[in-house]
Amino acid sequence: AQSVTQLDSQVPVFEEAPVELRCNYSSSVSVYLFWYVQYPNQGLQLLLKYLSGSTLVESINGFEAEFNKSQTSFHLRKPSVHISDTAEYFCAVSVNDYKLSFGAGTTVTVRA
Amino acid sequence: NAGVTQTPKFQVLKTGQSMTLQCAQDMNHNSMYWYRQDPGMGLRLIYYSASEGTTDKGEVPNGYNVSRLNKREFSLRLESAAPSQTSVYFCASSRYSNQPQHFGDGTRLSIL
Repeated sequence: AQSVTQLDSQVPVFEEAPVELRCNYSSSVSVYLFWYVQYPNQGLQLLLKYLSGSTLVESINGFEAEFNKSQTSFHLRKPSVHISDTAEYFCAVSVNDYKLSFGAGTTVTVRA
Repeated sequence: NAGVTQTPKFQVLKTGQSMTLQCAQDMNHNSMYWYRQDPGMGLRLIYYSASEGTTDKGEVPNGYNVSRLNKREFSLRLESAAPSQTSVYFCASSRYSNQPQHFGDGTRLSIL
């Protein structure tokens, strides 16, 4: 079974500063990778996904993530955050089946 | 678009009581899932239904049962609630297994 490690549980960041959320997974076979975002008192929303093809994937609101097979990582980045990016972010991995394994989450708090 | 609808949004139960959490999706998705979310643990899969008429256990099925009533609806039942089942429960659906999942807003359940 695969496991997902999000290396930071809390990331405070100032508005307009860059942010990187780290995600590593353990699997020796091909994987599908996802980042989800959860705003307070809401469900999870898909932010971006890697299924195949280009290892750099982007979301419509400025986030990007790069799949690194050799390092088994899928780190999430944004060059300039906004107050509205305050949320909890979850990395998830699926290995050729229905099951998503989630990391424990990273809480991003953006301050003015 | 409603997407995935969960009812109720909040519930308080006494130990030993039974309860059914309802979930319905209007996206014509084949696969549906139930997760629980606990602080610092991410989301853990309780049960899933890959397609109408099938259900299977996930990572933490003990104390729960599910029913895939039809393609739209997937309910989660607690037969005899325990304090350890205090959690936020999320229902999700996807077009097929291994496709990105869409989440409801959650049911916040407290067992006293």
